[in-house]
Amino acid sequence: GDSVTQMEGPVTLSEEAFLTINCTYTATGYPSLFWYVQYPGEGLQLLLKATKADDKGSNKGFEATYRKETTSFHLEKGSVQVSDSAVYFCALKIPPGNTPLVFGKGTRLSVIA
Amino acid sequence: DGGITQSPKYLFRKEGQNVTLSCEQNLNHDAMYWYRQDPGQGLRLIYYSQIVNDFQKGDIAEGYSVSREKKESFPLTVTSAQKNPTAFYLCASSSTTGGAFGYTFGSGTRLTVV
Repeated sequence: GDSVTQMEGPVTLSEEAFLTINCTYTATGYPSLFWYVQYPGEGLQLLLKATKADDKGSNKGFEATYRKETTSFHLEKGSVQVSDSAVYFCALKIPPGNTPLVFGKGTRLSVIA
Repeated sequence: DGGITQSPKYLFRKEGQNVTLSCEQNLNHDAMYWYRQDPGQGLRLIYYSQIVNDFQKGDIAEGYSVSREKKESFPLTVTSAQKNPTAFYLCASSSTTGGAFGYTFGSGTRLTVV
């Protein structure tokens, strides 16, 4: 079945360091890909998305590129801040219509000053 | 403001009791979902509903039940058959209006068995 694999955490970085969180997927069709962020005690918020190969999603300094050849959607940020500390989830959705998102297990990021 | 409201935020259940978690949305979304979150497990799909009066089992439906009598509401009942119900439960809704897929989450209910 469809699945998402993320790098295991936790990831601990110093402020202003470069961030990469790896995400690869297995899907039967041509999925849309998403990154969600979860702050402590809250629900998930959409961070960015890409709907077709070579698309780049970006938001708040984060970016990810849909790589069909490597079935990957790695999340990157050039300079992390303490406020970026959260759990990050990679997810896929097979179109069309309202089919459920399939999530990875999440990666906890801690940024220290 | 439009959004999804989950209540209560914290819920305690005794062994052998059924409890119902509320999820209400005013986004006019057609589809609604329930996920369970455990540490290190990510989000696992319990049930989902793409239209009123219809719903489908997800990956971990055993011990749970749902109803979808109104477009705005998708309550989840955790029954006594669920052996390990302590978890964080997230409700979501989605729409494909205008060809763009949008998925919105509630703020969650933390259920603890005491």
